[in-house]
Amino acid sequence: ETGVTQSPTHLIKTRGQQVTLRCSSQSGHNTVSWYQQALGQGPQFIFQYYREEENGRGNFPPRFSGLQFPNYSSELNVNALELDDSALYLCASSLLAGGQVNEQFFGPGTRLTVL
Amino acid sequence: DQQVKQNSPSLSVQEGRISILNCDYTNSMFDYFLWYKKYPAEGPTFLISISSIKDKNEDGRFTVFLNKSAKHLSLHIVPSQPGDSAVYFCAASGSNSGYALNFGKGTSLLVTP
Repeated sequence: ETGVTQSPTHLIKTRGQQVTLRCSSQSGHNTVSWYQQALGQGPQFIFQYYREEENGRGNFPPRFSGLQFPNYSSELNVNALELDDSALYLCASSLLAGGQVNEQFFGPGTRLTVL
Repeated sequence: DQQVKQNSPSLSVQEGRISILNCDYTNSMFDYFLWYKKYPAEGPTFLISISSIKDKNEDGRFTVFLNKSAKHLSLHIVPSQPGDSAVYFCAASGSNSGYALNFGKGTSLLVTP
C-alpha cells in the first residue's frame, strides 16, 4: 500500500508569483483535503475534493484553488503569493463512503517560503 | 475562531509514567475526534479516534476519553516511551463541516529517560 506523497518538498517563491503543489493519494482513497500549517499553529483546512469536485472549503480566498484528477491525485494552486502564504502545506487522503467519516492520512508536506 | 483548543503548549513526562494530553472544543456539532502525532519534517500521523457515541477508545498504550457534556477529550499514553516525544494534535470533525478536520495548536510532549 502506497502512502500519501507530495511534491516538491521545499519551494521558494517571491511575492506575486504563482505556485502549484502536487499530491498523490493513498491507494483506495477517493477524497483529498489540503491544509495550511503556519509556524506554531495547527493545520488549517483549505478545501476538500471528492470525485473531482470541491466538497468543502475553509476560510481561504479564491486565489487558493485546486484540482482532483481521475486517479484521485490533486493539485493546490496559489496565485498572487503573499508573504503570509509561507507555511507547510499538507495533503491528506481519505475514503468517503456512504456518508461515513473516515480518518485522513497525511503526506509529508511541502514547505513554501515566500520572499 | 479556534474551535479546538489545546491549552498546554508543552508537557514533560518521565519514561514509564502516564502522559495525559488535553483538548477542549466549542462546536457541539462535532461528532468525531482524532489525535495525530507529528515529528519534525513529517506530516501528521493518525494515532487514534473516537466517535461521539462512545466515551472511551483504547488501542494498545493509547486511550482517548471523551466527555461530551464538558466538550473535553484527553489522550492517555501508558507507559510513556522516549519515542513518543513529538507534537500531538487534537482534531475534530462533523457532518456539518464537510468532514474537514479542525485542529488545535498542538502539545509538544517530551518523554525523558
